Amino acid sequence: DTGVSQDPRHKITKRGQNVTFRCDPISEHNRLYWYRQTLGQGPEFLTYFQNEAQLEKSRLLSDRFSAERPKGSFSTLEIQRTEQGDSAMYLCASSLDGYRGTEAFFGQGTRLTVV
Amino acid sequence: TQLLEQSPQFLSIQEGENLTVYCNSSSVFSSLQWYRQEPGEGPVLLVTVVTGGEVKKLKRLTFQFGDARKDSSLHITAAQPGDTGLYLCAGARTSGSRLTFGEGTQLTVNP
Repeated sequence: DTGVSQDPRHKITKRGQNVTFRCDPISEHNRLYWYRQTLGQGPEFLTYFQNEAQLEKSRLLSDRFSAERPKGSFSTLEIQRTEQGDSAMYLCASSLDGYRGTEAFFGQGTRLTVV
Repeated sequence: TQLLEQSPQFLSIQEGENLTVYCNSSSVFSSLQWYRQEPGEGPVLLVTVVTGGEVKKLKRLTFQFGDARKDSSLHITAAQPGDTGLYLCAGARTSGSRLTFGEGTQLTVNP
């Protein structure tokens, strides 16, 4: 399977704990995006990388959130001191420069539940 | 802030009917993508349109990008229960930039 892979698929954590999610993009894709989606809404942009450079961060990305893509391949999204409002589906997508528009391909997501 | 408005938000129809979903904005996009999402899964890319007035067909689905690249529509002919899902439009201001999503249209096709 050469699609975007996210791990874990589901995460239940207690309020105040830290969590880390991993995303492996399509291998030749140089852009990687993180989005968050709550029930009944479209995905909201969090941040994106071109290779290892983080090019844009949303105001939604508070100080508790950090994302890295150290070698321009996989990426991690960490949430520190989780809150109940962080409960959502976290989606990762990747795309290739030079292609039509932003043809972003999504992973299956990580469902986070903060209890 | 670029805002994409989708309508209708919910649509419940009988198998065999036709339907159209609209995606509108006051902003110009360099490209517009349509996705379909099932519960608990990530969005699956259906089509990308980049040229004003462009029409693309994918079996029973027809996608159109407005002449001014501010709006788009998705038309489904003879809907089937397998078409059920959340349909999302998403626009990019420049190639490779982040996508701005609409809130989605939840389509239910009843047998």
